[in-house]
Amino acid sequence: DTAVSQTPKYLVTQMGNDKSIKCEQNLGHDTMYWYKQDSKKFLKIMFSYNNKELIINETVPNRFSPKSPDKAHLNLHINSLELGDSAVYFCASSQTGTSNQPQHFGDGTRLSIL
Amino acid sequence: GQNIDQPTEMTATEGAIVQINCTYQTSGFNGLFWYQQHAGEAPTFLSYNVLDGLEEKGRFSSFLSRSKGYSYLLLKELQMKDSASYLCAVRDTGGFKTIFGAGTRLFVKA
Repeated sequence: DTAVSQTPKYLVTQMGNDKSIKCEQNLGHDTMYWYKQDSKKFLKIMFSYNNKELIINETVPNRFSPKSPDKAHLNLHINSLELGDSAVYFCASSQTGTSNQPQHFGDGTRLSIL
Repeated sequence: GQNIDQPTEMTATEGAIVQINCTYQTSGFNGLFWYQQHAGEAPTFLSYNVLDGLEEKGRFSSFLSRSKGYSYLLLKELQMKDSASYLCAVRDTGGFKTIFGAGTRLFVKA
């Protein structure tokens, strides 16, 4: 039973294309996140959603558009992909209101732009 | 600004003890987390500190000093499988944003 699952695991595409990554969590958490981890392994927050509402948008280009149809899902659509978008994208979830609750991460989507 | 500093790499010997330090400067503080990330895998939760002092969890312990903006992760009885990156992360006051350090790559040698 995967707690946070994201698809696809690998995504290889050409510059200029549009692609989507899907994420689902079955932990009953109320908050979901997208992170980008670049080649230097820096894990940087992109978006945070709480109960389907956008809470954090860390100055991400508007080519990136997250969508949360319900609190168990947070998808990421990327338009006009650029070489610099190559990275591993991690989805995560957590339960707010309980201070010691950590984030649970999906296995990551490895995006390579040709 | 927000900044989390930790050493880039460390090497230790199997069976030994290693301490990974983390210093942080953040605009708010609502807890400090340590995560372990093996190459090609997702980060997994190791420990959490919100009050000053030491939290022990089996072979892993984590210490926090809020006044100094300092934490460390202590790994005892090192095993080869402990070779991984260790990420220090601070959650902000609102609880919706966690800032991660760049991680410390630990190499455990026989």
